[in-house]
Formats: sequence, structure tokens, C-alpha cells
Amino acid sequence: NAGVTQTPKFQVLKTGQSMTLQCAQDMNHEYMSWYRQDPGMGLRLIHYSVGAGITDQGEVPNGYNVSRSTTEDFPLRLLSAAPSQTSVYFCASSYSRWTSGVAYEQYFGPGTRLTVT
Amino acid sequence: QQQVKQSPQSLIVQKGGISIINCAYENTAFDYFPWYQQFPGKGPALLIAIRPDVSEKKEGRFTISFNKSAKQFSLHIMDSQPGDSATYFCAASMDSNYQLIWGAGTKLIIKP
Repeated sequence: NAGVTQTPKFQVLKTGQSMTLQCAQDMNHEYMSWYRQDPGMGLRLIHYSVGAGITDQGEVPNGYNVSRSTTEDFPLRLLSAAPSQTSVYFCASSYSRWTSGVAYEQYFGPGTRLTVT
Repeated sequence: QQQVKQSPQSLIVQKGGISIINCAYENTAFDYFPWYQQFPGKGPALLIAIRPDVSEKKEGRFTISFNKSAKQFSLHIMDSQPGDSATYFCAASMDSNYQLIWGAGTKLIIKP
């Protein structure tokens, strides 16, 4: 199993440009999510999905779009990049249901470091 | 009410010492409290987790202490080693909602 993979690892954008961060998992997880990590602010949820065709907003969704056409893939689109979107982005996945009081572990990708100038 | 407050923001401990990181929460509906460990350039990974029906859980040198009445939980790292240097995040969630609410993180440095 490759686990959760993210591409690219690094990206520099100019203000106003758009791009897609790719995320894929091979563990057949229903739940996938995107976080951004900024110094001193922990992990903030951008968007999440509980299955193919189902997405919802997290804590900081503005400026980002997602779609989930397959169980495996969950791309994050930046519509018009702004310097405030400079951050490290993590994709995570897990099973979406608790079973017998056992919460499923979230597995994280290696991250994409994005700089917007 | 959804917040998880983590302290300290950074911590320096001598090799062999005990590292202690604290978290507090308000929402009494939370019933799952994991700790994640993140090394530089990597994504976070689950370290240890606890449910509120026990007051302590130990895995090797890592222990979670849980105080339900005070709505606090903490991570203790015994015999801290330089390889433990990382950022540690506490989190919380409810059975009905698998989304995690994250603390702000603690950067731990173990001095040799």
C-alpha cells in the first residue's frame, strides 16, 4: 500500500493563478479531508468528503473547491491564489464509521508546501 | 465550545527527562482523544489515543492521563530521547462526528 499520496511536494504560484493539489489513497477509505497547517495555528479543516460524490465545507473553505468522483481521489483546487493561502496542505483519509467504540485512525499524506507571491 | 486548547506552544527537555504536554476542552460530548506526532517535513501520525472511560493509557514510554471532571488530558513522555523531538498535536472528537478538533500543537525539543 502506498497509503496517502500528494502531489506536488512544493509549488510556487503568483497571485491570481489557479492550480490543483492532488491527493490519492489506496486503502478504500470513505472519509477524506484537506487541512492547511500554519505556524501556531495547528491543523485547520478546509473541506472533507464522506464518499464519492459527497463533499462538505470545513472551518476555512473560502478560496478552495473540491470534488470526489472516485473513492481514491480527492483533489483540492485553488481558484485564484492569494498570499494568504501560503501554507502547508495535508490530505488525510480514514474509515468513516466507528465500530464497537473504536475510532478509525486518520492517515496523512506527506504534504504540499505552497507559496503564493 | 468546540475548541481544544494545548499548552505549552514549545518545550525543551533534557534527554532522559519527562516531557508533559497539556490539553483542555469544553465540549463534554467529546469522547475520543488522540495524540498525533509530526516530524519535520512529514504528515502527522497517530501516536496514542484514549476514551474517557479510563483515566490513563500507557504505550511504551508514552502515557495519556485523562481527567474527565477537569476536562483535561495530557501526554507524558518518559525517558525522553532526541528522536522524540517533533511537534505533538492533541485532538478530540465525538462518536457521532468523526471529524477531529485539533489543538494548536507543541514543538518538543529533546536536548542530548
